[in-house]
Formats: sequence, C-alpha cells, structure tokens
Amino acid sequence: QVQVVESGGGVVQPGRSLRLSCAASGFTFSNFAIHWVRQAPGKGLEWVGVISYDGRNKYYADSVKGRFTFSRDNSRNTLYLEMNSLRAEDTAVYYCARGLAVAATYFDYWGQGTLVTVSS
Amino acid sequence: EIVLTQSPDFQSVTPKEKVTITCRASQSIGNRIHWYQQKPDQSPKLLINYASQSFSGVPSRFSGSGSGTDFTLTINSLAAEDAATYYCHQSSALPITFGQGTRLEIK
Repeated sequence: QVQVVESGGGVVQPGRSLRLSCAASGFTFSNFAIHWVRQAPGKGLEWVGVISYDGRNKYYADSVKGRFTFSRDNSRNTLYLEMNSLRAEDTAVYYCARGLAVAATYFDYWGQGTLVTVSS
Repeated sequence: EIVLTQSPDFQSVTPKEKVTITCRASQSIGNRIHWYQQKPDQSPKLLINYASQSFSGVPSRFSGSGSGTDFTLTINSLAAEDAATYYCHQSSALPITFGQGTRLEIK
C-alpha cells in the first residue's frame, strides 16, 4: 500500500540546521510531486512547498524561502528537506504528502509527521 | 495569496445530526477545493477532492459541493467517529493555502 514516512525531527537551537527525510513506498515515486505541510502545535495546516516529480521544479512558501531546500533521490524513493537558520516559529510537525502535480492537485496520502522543535 | 475562510470555527453536534461546513475563497477557484479530516494526533486524511469527488474508502455520509468562491462539506447522519477538525485546501494557485479549520465536537 502507499506509504510515506517522515523522519529526522528533533530539538534544535535557533539558527541551526536540520534535515528531514521522507521515504516512500507502494507507488512509483518518480511519477509524483511531493508537498511539505507543517502544523505548529495547536494550530492549522501551513503549506511549506513542493518539489516536482523529477526534482527540477521547486516552490517554497514565503515564510521559508531562502532557508529551506527540497531535494529528492528517485533511485532511493526518498525526499529531503534541508532546513537552515531555524527560528522558533518553525516549530511544528512536518508532513510530506503525495500530490499528482506541483499545483492543481489534492494530497491523497500523508505521512505521520515528524516534530521539529526549535528552542534554546 | 488566496485566502480560505471556514465557518464555523467550532461546532458541538449530536450523533445522527446533519452538519454543514462552509469554505469561502477570496477569489474564484473553480472547483479546485479539497477537504481533509484530521483527528487528534493523526495526519490529515483526504475526504473530498475537486469540490465534490469522494476519495476512495470515504463513507458516503460525506459529500461536497460548490464552485467559484463558495464551497460546502456536508456530513449526513453524523457518527461518533467523525469528531475531528476539518480543513479545506485550494490548489488553484500557488501558494497553496488551507482554511483555518473547523473543529467538530460530538455531544
């Protein structure tokens, strides 16, 4: 069955970096865009950005542009989110979600999320 | 950025009641609205895509309607397991945005 599994979360100090991973299985990973969505504790959903099926196109929310970078390794069915210059407001559960495309798509499968806490 | 406004923010309802959640977009988005259910400590789950298409395996009591700027998620004959927060999501333009969520409490 379709699965996406995030990992790499943890506690990190402000200004430091962290890399999240999203491992996929049960579908042809290289055919799908993957979106990142985060949820601060007790808050709603916030789109972080997307990487296209081939990794050539990436779009970021303004709140993370210039600090976060998406990449993917289709040979390993794995996606990466490199987060730099982390801020307290980046504290959230980070989900990866499968999309048919970069835009004009719904998210049919989500991972269980990984918690990132930015705190000194 | 397209802003999505859901109403109500919170509703306390009894089992078997009919529930309607609305989502209004700040500009016309055609049918590019999708609905998710999120239970506590779980990831969101897709219920409805493109305003009215039920996702595979979703109970038939969930339905969606609307186009342009006004959309509705309807739950007919509410079940106890429907206690959750519901979000709308627009995919008409980047950045993708979500509504603020509607929390349903079962009395």
